[in-house]
Amino acid sequence: EAQVTQNPRYLITVTGKKLTVTCSQNMNHEYMSWYRQDPGLGLRQIYYSMNVEATDKGDVPEGYKVSRKEKRNFPLILESPSPNQTSLYFCASSTHVGILGELFFGEGSRLTVL
Amino acid sequence: AQKVTQAQTEISVVEKEDVTLDCVYETRDTTYYLFWYKQPPSGELVFLIRRNSFDEQNEISGRYSWNFQKSTSSFNFTITASQVVDSAVYFCALSAPRSNDYKLSFGAGTTVTVRA
Repeated sequence: EAQVTQNPRYLITVTGKKLTVTCSQNMNHEYMSWYRQDPGLGLRQIYYSMNVEATDKGDVPEGYKVSRKEKRNFPLILESPSPNQTSLYFCASSTHVGILGELFFGEGSRLTVL
Repeated sequence: AQKVTQAQTEISVVEKEDVTLDCVYETRDTTYYLFWYKQPPSGELVFLIRRNSFDEQNEISGRYSWNFQKSTSSFNFTITASQVVDSAVYFCALSAPRSNDYKLSFGAGTTVTVRA
């Protein structure tokens, strides 16, 4: 089954404790991206990657890091989480051959930073 | 810069009514792509449609239809004869590859509630 898998789905952590949200896709997609969803703000892009070792900042990259060492994985790293990073996070993947195709989303990871 | 505005925060209708969701976009590019996604109460995000800037033909898929008008920079979405299962948050999104690489910008979303 084609899917994007995120882990963990739910996490409560404390300020400053490094955490990683993993994302893996099994569709051999070149493009992967992270979004955060906050009430009234819709989905805002954090980082995206066009392929292995190619990452770019989205609209709200501050406080986040990513890496793309393998095509299927695109982890989101919060080196020192703060309460304003409490949010619902979505990973997505897509084909892109000159244009961006349909995005396939993971189920979301709800993060609470105390 | 690219931007998507969904001015309607919430819409509530009674079943079988039609509902139209507005989407206004901004981009300097002549080549761009517009999307609609649905997020039902269960939380997953579901792709509905992608339209490129060179194709202004309106599209119909069952009870869903889309009206793309470049002259007003709008890509509106209509649900005809709404059903309770249409209750969801709907997002419009824009990708303009030339000036923004493959950033995909979403609007704030419109919450649609369909009452039985």
